[in-house]
Amino acid sequence: KQEVTQIPAALSVPEGENLVLNCSFTDSAIYNLQWFRQDPGKGLTSLLLIQSSQREQTSGRLNASLDKSSGRSTLYIAASQPGDSATYLCAVRQSPAGSARQLTFGSGTQLTVLP
Amino acid sequence: GAVVSQHPSWVICKSGTSVKIECRSLDFQATTMFWYRQFPKQSLMLMATSNEGSKATYEQGVEKDKFLINHASLTLSTLTVTSAHPEDSSFYICSARGQGTNYGYTFGSGTRLTVV
Repeated sequence: KQEVTQIPAALSVPEGENLVLNCSFTDSAIYNLQWFRQDPGKGLTSLLLIQSSQREQTSGRLNASLDKSSGRSTLYIAASQPGDSATYLCAVRQSPAGSARQLTFGSGTQLTVLP
Repeated sequence: GAVVSQHPSWVICKSGTSVKIECRSLDFQATTMFWYRQFPKQSLMLMATSNEGSKATYEQGVEKDKFLINHASLTLSTLTVTSAHPEDSSFYICSARGQGTNYGYTFGSGTRLTVV
């Protein structure tokens, strides 16, 4: 059974700092990995999607990397801003064979960027 | 891009009543939708997979008679919490996959259910 772990559980940084969020998964046979952002009481906003054949994806100040063989992904946020404060979730989707199309989520990293 | 609309965003109901939550894919057809539940400060736990035109697949430990799922069309799935109790109070979120193999999953905005 796939298990996804995110470290740290919470992170507080001053504005402008670059930071890295970590995600690890136990079963490397994944189809893709997706990073989401969740604001309090809200749904999930997709940030980046990395297919299993890719090494990284970039969107603006965000960069996500994937090392499938070691079961790790990192989300790099450059020049953090108070508006980046939210909970960041990573989720993996297993290979598409059979019915394993659902996502398995990590427990999230709660980020606070202080002005 | 793929958009999933979820309603209501919040609902308060009395114990013993039923509540229906709707999830619509606005600009794409979703043959499969997923329903998740999230407790405070915890991650999302998959409850069931909703399949258009067939019965939903429930995860272990989820009562299918309590959480009724209907996926009657390619753009609408509903979750009905029957005979709600205070312990059913939670945040419920639906998701669907956009068309194309490169699409990730799109999530609804969630429904905060409070049972009093």
